[in-house]
Order: sequence, then structure tokens, then C-alpha cells
Amino acid sequence: NAGVMQNPRHLVRRRGQEARLRCSPMKGHSHVYWYRQLPEEGLKFMVYLQKENIIDESGMPKERFSAEFPKEGPSILRIQQVVRGDSAAYFCASSLNFGQGPTGELFFGEGSRLTVL
Amino acid sequence: AQSVSQHNHHVILSEAASLELGCNYSYGGTVNLFWYVQYPGQHLQLLLKYFSGDPLVKGIKGFEAEFIKSKFSFNLRKPSVQWSDTAEYFCAVTTTSGTYKYIFGTGTRLKVLA
Repeated sequence: NAGVMQNPRHLVRRRGQEARLRCSPMKGHSHVYWYRQLPEEGLKFMVYLQKENIIDESGMPKERFSAEFPKEGPSILRIQQVVRGDSAAYFCASSLNFGQGPTGELFFGEGSRLTVL
Repeated sequence: AQSVSQHNHHVILSEAASLELGCNYSYGGTVNLFWYVQYPGQHLQLLLKYFSGDPLVKGIKGFEAEFIKSKFSFNLRKPSVQWSDTAEYFCAVTTTSGTYKYIFGTGTRLKVLA
């Protein structure tokens, strides 16, 4: 699966800085999902986006976190004023659009590991 | 709201032992079900999926899972594990309507001893 590209793979930030994580979905995929993975906690859903639309952001903290998926370019997960608790692996996944919604499996990227000092 | 429970957080087995990992979901409507595997240092990969039809689903690497609707379960099985099956396994569910949010369980870490 070389399709879903995430960068950077590793990102180190100091408390208070901003982190921007990028995700380019597989070719032809118009649905993007972001997940956060912490040890012993599995994958926590954060947000689901289609091009230029946020479909479901119920898993994303109300403050400091935002996501977008513009018409052109990658999806961006932005974390402002990072704190140590934001340290985690952030995974992006994409899926096909079939009819009115995605179908089939999610294809995952390699993840971006954020470390906040 | 949907939720997924994986009851075994850590499992240790010897090679050739049989494996069964539990997965239960909470949702009243029609769902699609998945098992993903994450090998150390790698991204998640699909093992198998259930959309409809035969509730016994066969996946890659000798894995299978059975959907029991009455029990809201989708347990993963393998008759004989190998050392290379050492990985973390995630069950996931998505609805077939609404916002198509894929919800994952907390994962089960499997360690297979050679």
C-alpha cells in the first residue's frame, strides 16, 4: 500500500508550538479519516472529511485541533499550541466514494509520530 | 453511538496454538465489519471484511472471522498461529448509512512465541 502518503513521519515540537500533519489519500479516494493512536488505547476516531467538507468531527477536541481537506492538495490536521498530551501517532486513512458514501476498506498511511517536548 | 469492544488486550501463544480474538460492537442498524492488523512499525492492513452474505469470512494468511448478528460479535480465528503473526489486531465497524464513521476497538496485542 503505497497509496496514502503522510508527512512528516516524525515531528518534534515544543509546548506551545503548532503542528501540521499532512495526508494525501490514494488516487481516486475522496474520503479521508484521521485517527490518533496512543499505547493501550487503540485508534481513536478524530475526524472524517470529504473534499472541502467536514462530515464528522465528533472525535476531535473542540480547542486547538482543526482539519481540512481542500479541493486541491492534501488533507491537513492542525494542532495549535501543542501540549505534552498531544504526543501520539496520528494516522490518516482514505476510502473510495461509492454512491452516497464510502465503501470497502480503509487504506492507511504510515502515520505521523508527534512528540511534544 | 457505535462502539467496539475487544476483550483481550494482550494474548501470548505458542506457535501452532489456535487463536480466537473477541470483538463485540454496539449498534442497532446494519454494519460492515473489519479486522485490521498492524505489524510492528508498520501501518494498518486489512485482514478481512464482512459486508453481507455468508457470516463466515475468510481473509488473508489463514485468518477467518464469524459474524453472529444475535450476539453482535465478529470474532477472529486462526487454527494455528505462527511467530510472524505477532502483531496488534483491531476490530472495526462502520454503519451503512449516516456518516460512515469507522470505529475501531482498542486492539489486541498478540505475541507468538517460537
